[in-house]
Amino acid sequence: AQTVTQSQPEMSVQEAETVTLSCTYDTSESNYYLFWYKQPPSRQMILVIRQEAYKQQNATENRFSVNFQKAAKSFSLKISDSQLGDTAMYFCAFMKPVRLTAGGTSYGKLTFGQGTILTVHP
Amino acid sequence: AAGVIQSPRHLIKEKRETATLKCYPIPRHDTVYWYQQGPGQDPQFLISFYEKMQSDKGSIPDRFSAQQFSDYHSELNMSSLELGDSALYFCASSLSFKAGRGPTQYFGPGTRLTVL
Repeated sequence: AQTVTQSQPEMSVQEAETVTLSCTYDTSESNYYLFWYKQPPSRQMILVIRQEAYKQQNATENRFSVNFQKAAKSFSLKISDSQLGDTAMYFCAFMKPVRLTAGGTSYGKLTFGQGTILTVHP
Repeated sequence: AAGVIQSPRHLIKEKRETATLKCYPIPRHDTVYWYQQGPGQDPQFLISFYEKMQSDKGSIPDRFSAQQFSDYHSELNMSSLELGDSALYFCASSLSFKAGRGPTQYFGPGTRLTVL
């Protein structure tokens, strides 16, 4: 079974600064996907960024970027120019495709880490 | 853009009652996932469906059942409710693997279930 570990229960950062959230995972699979989701106080789950394991290039989305180290099974999220609206719980998640009993392949479940509470201070 | 719709948004039930949660995926999404999130916890996978068939199963109690209908909406039926079932229940949807558009799951706003 896959496991995802976020070792930082809480982080804080000043507005406009940069912060990095850590995530490690354990898998024997070669084909998988990694995600960062944020969950603000509204508790809506919002996709931040996605990384395909077969891609060597790190994904970026505006102020958000990842450092994907496949051999080390590490997937950290860097938030640049932090904004007050970035205050949220951040979850790292792992997903691998699954074989269907009727044949074919489907996308599988998300396995989440424990989450990191990020607070951005003015 | 259209998002995942869940109803009801809030539900209060007594112990041993039943509850039905509904999920309407993003148009053209044919894969639906259900997650349960307890207070201060990460979401835990319950079950998923692709083309109306169960595609994966997680830690879903035997008291719970779910299905996906021909219009791709899904329902999670929960019976003999227990206090420990109080949680936020998320539905997420994605395009299928064969669509080749990537595996991103988009989450609905959740149904907050309180069992008294």
